Amino acid sequence: ETGVTQTPRHLVMGMTNKKSLKCEQHLGHNAMYWYKQSAKKPLELMFVYNFKEQTENNSVPSRFSPECPNSSHLFLHLHTLQPEDSALYLCASSRGGERETQYFGPGTRLLVL
Amino acid sequence: AQTVTQSQPEMSVQEAETVTLSCTYDTSESDYYLFWYKQPPSRQMILVIRQEAYKQQNATENRFSVNFQKAAKSFSLKISDSQLGDAAMYFCAYRSRQGGSEKLVFGKGTKLTVNP
Repeated sequence: ETGVTQTPRHLVMGMTNKKSLKCEQHLGHNAMYWYKQSAKKPLELMFVYNFKEQTENNSVPSRFSPECPNSSHLFLHLHTLQPEDSALYLCASSRGGERETQYFGPGTRLLVL
Repeated sequence: AQTVTQSQPEMSVQEAETVTLSCTYDTSESDYYLFWYKQPPSRQMILVIRQEAYKQQNATENRFSVNFQKAAKSFSLKISDSQLGDAAMYFCAYRSRQGGSEKLVFGKGTKLTVNP
């Protein structure tokens, strides 16, 4: 599937580094999401954007900073992360609204050393 | 807050056989959506099937069907004629219809192995 793409697919960073994750959707959707998937834990919603406006922030630490310049692109800027932030970060998109199905990207596997 | 529980961390099935994955959820709401997502080893999450709580009829998609028991808050997934490509993590998810929330609440997942 190429509807939702994410780069990079793998990332290793130190705790003092600054990096960004990128998500792009080619489905004409209006809503985009960031999820965190840790081992042995359910997926956790981090942020929701509708028409470029952030509509949900699920109590995410400020070391994670999302950016949505347009409905097709979503970024997650990372700085001064902790080892416990190591996880798979999944991006998703949908047409927006409660009835709409979310389509997921392949994820970025992040390791914080 | 809503919670989703998948009590089977791992399941296995023989190719061509049928397997049922369990999911229960807790909510005080009467109207909501339920989903099953599949995440193969390549990691891209794919929607398998979706159920709207106000619909009594169980959803079906080809070899995949659900047994939705609203009173029991149970939402199991049945995979018939299992294929090797069905091997994946399967996640049950809940979505509220209240307040315009787009939040999906996921269970921890069930790892399905298909044996040839």
